[in-house]
Amino acid sequence: EVQLVESGGGLVQPGGSLRLSCAASGFTFSSYEMNWVRQAPGKGLEWVSYISSSGSTIYYADSVKGRFTISRDNAKNSLYLQMNSLRAEDTAVYYCARLGGYSGSYFDYWGQGTLVTVSS
Amino acid sequence: QSVLTQPPSVSAAPGQKVTISCSGSSSNIGNNYVSWYQQLPGTAPKLLIYENNKRPSGIPDRFSGSKSGTSATLGITGLQTGDEADYYCGTWDSSLSAGNYVFGTGTKVTVL
Repeated sequence: EVQLVESGGGLVQPGGSLRLSCAASGFTFSSYEMNWVRQAPGKGLEWVSYISSSGSTIYYADSVKGRFTISRDNAKNSLYLQMNSLRAEDTAVYYCARLGGYSGSYFDYWGQGTLVTVSS
Repeated sequence: QSVLTQPPSVSAAPGQKVTISCSGSSSNIGNNYVSWYQQLPGTAPKLLIYENNKRPSGIPDRFSGSKSGTSATLGITGLQTGDEADYYCGTWDSSLSAGNYVFGTGTKVTVL
């Protein structure tokens, strides 16, 4: 059974940092592209970042570029999101999501999410 | 600000049909596959439709997807109370920087 379990969320002050983790199991993690997607309270879904299966290709949404860093450790079946210079508008539930299929056009599995609250 | 536009809400009685539109442009829907996600209250999104019109294993055929030009549509027939949720379309977009995935604005389905 495919499982994605996020951790690392919490309360952080504006300008602070946080590192999110996503533990993957039930599939060959090193073969799949992975993403982070977030959802602000009461708002819609917002894609945050993408990383290829090897980690060689990375993309970011303009809203987080220069502040967030996505990475992965295929030996540990883990995905990470280092978040620096956090702002109030980064407050959201952060989901890790697997990019599925040969087309790489959809997220077939999602974690349960971890809440990040940026507030003083 | 999402580049994919969906109606904020749709509603119908149990057993009826609803359709949800997702309007985009040539830089996203027009040249890429569309997927749809269902988000029940308090839960993570779940894949409902992928590659425009395919259903993952376990998704009933009451759910269908289609795409024409720069728009996509999700259909739900035989509406059930358990279908009350938020629905989002999604696709890759090439109008801004490379590798930009976009979601629709979201549609809340209410079963009357």
